[in-house]
Amino acid sequence: RKEVEQDPGPFNVPEGATVAFNCTYSNSASQSFFWYRQDCRKEPKLLMSVYSSGNEDGRFTAQLNRASQYISLLIRDSKLSDSATYLCVVISLGGSNYKLTFGKGTLLTVNP
Amino acid sequence: DTGVSQDPRHKITKRGQNVTFRCDPISEHNRLYWYRQTLGQGPEFLTYFQNEAQLEKSRLLSDRFSAERPKGSFSTLEIQRTEQGDSAMYLCASSLATGSGYTFGSGTRLTVV
Repeated sequence: RKEVEQDPGPFNVPEGATVAFNCTYSNSASQSFFWYRQDCRKEPKLLMSVYSSGNEDGRFTAQLNRASQYISLLIRDSKLSDSATYLCVVISLGGSNYKLTFGKGTLLTVNP
Repeated sequence: DTGVSQDPRHKITKRGQNVTFRCDPISEHNRLYWYRQTLGQGPEFLTYFQNEAQLEKSRLLSDRFSAERPKGSFSTLEIQRTEQGDSAMYLCASSLATGSGYTFGSGTRLTVV
C-alpha cells in the first residue's frame, strides 16, 4: 500500500460546482497534514493545513479523520482559477527525522 | 525576494554528463529538502538536511546522486553520469520548524538527451 493515496481524477466540473477530494495515508503515526496546490509546470504551493477539528478558508474546507486515516478537501462554488493539481501531503516521523510524503495529485479542471 | 531560490530553472544535458543544481532556502529555515517530480506524479522525496547535516536519503538517491549543504545555508544536488531517466523537475523546499508549512522553490527542470 502506498504511503499516501489520492483520488485518481481527473475531475472536470462546471463553474460554481462543489468538488471533494479524498486522500488516505498508511502511517498511523503521521504527524501533520496539508493540501498543496500545483499549477502546470510550477512548484507546489501550500493551500492549507489540515486539523482534526476541521478548518475552513473561504470556499475551501479541509477535514482530517485520524481513526480512518483519511483527509479531505472540499471546494465550494468552484472558480476557473481553481483549475490545478491538488496534492495531499503527510508529514511522518521516521526516527528523529520528519519527511513530507506527497500523494500523486488530483487534477481539477473547472469549465466555464 | 525572500522565497526559496533554485538555479538553474532549466537544464538540458547530454546523457553521461554531470550536472549540479543549487538551492538557496529561506534564510532562517534550518531544514532543507530535495524532491524529484516526473510528469503526472507527485513529488518524491530524495534527501533532507537539518542545518549542514544530511539526516535522511531516499533509496531513490542512487550513488550517482550527491547532495551537500556545507554551511547550513545553500545546498547543491549533483547528478553524475546522467541518464535519460533522470529527466524530471528537481524541487527544493525549506522549513523552519517541524509541522510548519514548507516552501518550495520554482524547481530545476532537467532534460537529459
